[in-house]
Amino acid sequence: AQRVTQPEKLLSVFKGAPVELKCNYSYSGSPELFWYVQYSRQRLQLLLRHISRESIKGFTADLNKGETSFHLKKPFAQEEDSAMYYCALSENTGKLIFGQGTTLQVKP
Amino acid sequence: NAGVTQTPKFQVLKTGQSMTLQCAQDMNHEYMSWYRQDPGMGLRLIHYSVGAGITDQGEVPNGYNVSRSTTEDFPLRLLSAAPSQTSVYFCASSRTGVSPLHFGNGTRLTVT
Repeated sequence: AQRVTQPEKLLSVFKGAPVELKCNYSYSGSPELFWYVQYSRQRLQLLLRHISRESIKGFTADLNKGETSFHLKKPFAQEEDSAMYYCALSENTGKLIFGQGTTLQVKP
Repeated sequence: NAGVTQTPKFQVLKTGQSMTLQCAQDMNHEYMSWYRQDPGMGLRLIHYSVGAGITDQGEVPNGYNVSRSTTEDFPLRLLSAAPSQTSVYFCASSRTGVSPLHFGNGTRLTVT
């Protein structure tokens, strides 16, 4: 069955430290993967999609099919990065399967 | 463009009451869906639609009904509210089946 796993509920780092939010997936076909971010009491918004291979707000994510992972990385965390981050997998039908989410807390 | 608009923002219901959460989008998106967000559970799909007149169940459909009479609107009906339906509900839309989702602001529902 298709599944997305984010093993960390909470990741706490100091400002300027590197950040890696983990995401693993299981999917029988070619995955379409996304990272969404939800700042405090706001709507979810798209951060990254793997086919774009771009960097948004300093974040990058690389699809590793061998390890079935799509980890989100940023070399230097900022306080404004504090938010809930969701990894999601598309079933190509407009449906997304979401991970449990990871709260990133960046301390000053 | 207003994007995806959800109403109400907050709602408190008593057990057994019914209500409809409204969702409208003005982007002419074919795909619409409803998710609930619960702590430690991520977002779980309730129902979705790939176009007007077509709906299907997601992961947690029990206790909810949907209809899609127009492209713009996708209301979610709670038939008989239960405390287990206390959650934050998000409506989303996308242009195609592989496009990123656009989310509404959410409805925070409490059932007592």
